Amino acid sequence: SQQGEEDPQALSIQEGENATMNCSYKTSINNLQWYRQNSGRGLVHLILIRSNEREKHSGRLRVTLDTSKKSSSLLITASRAADTASYFCATASGGSNYKLTFGKGTLLTVNP
Amino acid sequence: EPEVTQTPSHQVTQMGQEVILRCVPISNHLYFYWYRQILGQKVEFLVSFYNNEISEKSEIFDDQFSVERPDGSNFTLKIRSTKLEDSAMYFCASSPGGGLYGYTFGSGTRLTVV
Repeated sequence: SQQGEEDPQALSIQEGENATMNCSYKTSINNLQWYRQNSGRGLVHLILIRSNEREKHSGRLRVTLDTSKKSSSLLITASRAADTASYFCATASGGSNYKLTFGKGTLLTVNP
Repeated sequence: EPEVTQTPSHQVTQMGQEVILRCVPISNHLYFYWYRQILGQKVEFLVSFYNNEISEKSEIFDDQFSVERPDGSNFTLKIRSTKLEDSAMYFCASSPGGGLYGYTFGSGTRLTVV
């Protein structure tokens, strides 16, 4: 089964606007994490929210988690051109080491 | 800030050749991973490594693949006989506590099989 499916697949906004990306998953999880990937580069960990948490903030990032709907959202406020990147959600579930399973990502373009 | 280092950044190899991708995880991390990303597609799990052995592997990680931690600092991925479809970005990652914490990823090795 697919875990961590993000939508939209692509999002284009103007600098200063807020960007919201969503993620849905299918199985129970220990936590959900969001990563950013600039073109051709590695993934950078942004934020982790545990299954018993509903909302978390880090700077301009706000993440929510609804385990009853098996969904999460990432909000980036006051976006900047430098926020242009792909954003992936990843779920940690099962197994001896709770490996991460990534979604397909949302490509965010912030226009100056 | 501690980094995960991967070498080489780009490797071109002929089909059927063996390649070794190298990674130096963060020194006090205990869990190590290889993921791959075919151009424009999702990041796929290959293998996890803990306590000097494979703890989990995906269907992609067949007999052509192997991992080693030969000297306590390096973590390598070997592909014995490369195929065209092995062309991808390969990412190494490490974590202090598996998926219970965030992973730190390297910048990746772009493998091109010709």
